[in-house]
Amino acid sequence: DSGVTQTPKHLITATGQRVTLRCSPRSGDLSVYWYQQSLDQGLQFLIHYYNGEERAKGNILERFSAQQFPDLHSELNLSSLELGDSALYFCASSATGTGMNTEAFFGQGTRLTVV
Amino acid sequence: DQQVKQNSPSLSVQEGRISILNCDYTNSMFDYFLWYKKYPAEGPTFLISISSIKDKNEDGRFTVFLNKSAKHLSLHIVPSQPGDSAVYFCAARGDGLIFGTGTRLQVFP
Repeated sequence: DSGVTQTPKHLITATGQRVTLRCSPRSGDLSVYWYQQSLDQGLQFLIHYYNGEERAKGNILERFSAQQFPDLHSELNLSSLELGDSALYFCASSATGTGMNTEAFFGQGTRLTVV
Repeated sequence: DQQVKQNSPSLSVQEGRISILNCDYTNSMFDYFLWYKKYPAEGPTFLISISSIKDKNEDGRFTVFLNKSAKHLSLHIVPSQPGDSAVYFCAARGDGLIFGTGTRLQVFP
């Protein structure tokens, strides 16, 4: 158990809908990262938050947004869903955003299926 | 633009032999590198890391080598065990952690 909790584990929704994925980081971790993994492909970096502020953006679509709340949990919002958005979405947390202690610990992922 | 590349999608190794997984990167500003292991339907698990000021880091059966001039790192697993069969991702610290596409390692008896 990595200590990172993602909910829900599975989500099935229709095209055009909007969903929210939730991530609770390990206790004390300030950084949260979101990744997308499609069809057993690599991990595509979406976005990084550190202590409530956006730190870096990767290949995140404009239809997607995220935020990190004062209690450090994070939500990834996906809107106007398309079939191609079906993927595993992983959240990871680390103690800091920089420095040596940058090992990120991953949650079990949310499997999103858009039908 | 793939900043971290794992050019071998798969590798098959006999139990007890050495597994060598390779990773190349393009950004010389990366200063910290990590290897993760991933089983199906699970999140990646941190395995080992190395700072750019070192060229080798060892942890039990796992050793990571870094060649900064070649922008290349490798993960050595010796001896390989069937339980090592998984997908291995290398990652580099830049804007967030940038992952490669992964190498599927299969260790057979």
